[in-house]
Amino acid sequence: AQSVAQPEDQVNVAEGNPLTVKCTYSVSGNPYLFWYVQYPNRGLQFLLKYITGDNLVKGSYGFEAEFNKSQTSFHLKKPSALVSDSALYFCAVRDNSGYSTLTFGKGTMLLVSP
Amino acid sequence: DGGITQSPKYLFRKEGQNVTLSCEQNLNHDAMYWYRQDPGQGLRLIYYSQIVNDFQKGDIAEGYSVSREKKESFPLTVTSAQKNPTAFYLCASSITGTGRNQPQHFGDGTRLSIL
Repeated sequence: AQSVAQPEDQVNVAEGNPLTVKCTYSVSGNPYLFWYVQYPNRGLQFLLKYITGDNLVKGSYGFEAEFNKSQTSFHLKKPSALVSDSALYFCAVRDNSGYSTLTFGKGTMLLVSP
Repeated sequence: DGGITQSPKYLFRKEGQNVTLSCEQNLNHDAMYWYRQDPGQGLRLIYYSQIVNDFQKGDIAEGYSVSREKKESFPLTVTSAQKNPTAFYLCASSITGTGRNQPQHFGDGTRLSIL
């Protein structure tokens, strides 16, 4: 069975500082990894994905994520946080065989203070 | 613009009542999904469909039913057997087959509450 862990319920960071939202995963075979963002009372918006290749993936709104196979991690990062980045962030994993179902983490609330 | 439309945005259910949540997509995606979101629990898969007239149970299918008569539509019925239906329900769609590494696209959700 595949699983995702987001160890922090909430991350607080000051505007202009770098941010990291952590994600570790467990999956048989090679993983497909995704990050999504959710604003209040809205659906999830896709940020970025790792499928294969370069371990550093760049996505929307200046976000990037680093895939680390040995640590089974896929942490989301941004060099300089904005107040508008405050939202709920979800990491998700899918294995590369069978049906296209995603397993989501429980989410991490990011709060960026002015 | 292509996207996923969920309706209604807010829905109230009385005891013993079945209610149906609508999900329509114009992205020409083969696969569609229903998730339930509860605070602090992330998203849990209720049902999914890879193709018209076929669907599979997800992790928490009990008390729910679906149909997939058209590619564009994947309605979810919350039956009276679902004893704790209060939640935020999200519909999603994606390409299947070789597009397995493509992201899912989400609607803006329906919030269901008990009267």
